[in-house]
Amino acid sequence: KAGVTQTPRYLIKTRGQQVTLSCSPISGHRSVSWYQQTPGQGLQFLFEYFSETQRNKGNFPGRFSGRQFSNSRSEMNVSTLELGDSALYLCASSPDLGQPQHFGDGTRLSIL
Amino acid sequence: GESVGLHLPTLSVQEGDNSIINCAYSNSASDYFIWYKQESGKGPQFIIDIRSNMDKRQGQRVTVLLNKTVKHLSLQIAATQPGDSAVYFCAETYSGNTPLVFGKGTRLSVIA
Repeated sequence: KAGVTQTPRYLIKTRGQQVTLSCSPISGHRSVSWYQQTPGQGLQFLFEYFSETQRNKGNFPGRFSGRQFSNSRSEMNVSTLELGDSALYLCASSPDLGQPQHFGDGTRLSIL
Repeated sequence: GESVGLHLPTLSVQEGDNSIINCAYSNSASDYFIWYKQESGKGPQFIIDIRSNMDKRQGQRVTVLLNKTVKHLSLQIAATQPGDSAVYFCAETYSGNTPLVFGKGTRLSVIA
């Protein structure tokens, strides 16, 4: 069974631009969560989606948004990029709520 | 490889020895806990989980201990191997209805 797939793996943007990151969960998994990982702050929760509905949202500004499609694939968008948005963005999926999340290898976003 | 954390606590062990990685969790209401392993350039990998109705759970070469009285979790790795070198994170949640909250992580370094 294929794991969680995130695209692209690496991305370089400049301040003020916007970016969309994609996540394909493990087949059959309905829950998708997004995390931001930085050396200073560690792993921080961004959003959780289940059956196309956002269930939880972390403490991030409105520039960060996401969505989930009917096939459980998910995207997250960051608008008006800032230098501090440079991070590894990780997507995780689980079959259902309350079950272990399995992570992709992330998208490394660098803001110049 | 990409740096997960610049100032993580580090545990150095000799190959073949047992490792114990500790984690203090924050929410006394948390009832589901997961240990993840993250190697350089990869996303966190699920190792083992435990629910609050248990105080010990064993996997292959790994054991997780849960002490709810002092809100403490530990991961024991038997016969540590060079391939165990990674950053280890504990994560907590309440009934799977709240987002996973991750600890800061511990870097395990295995000396051959």
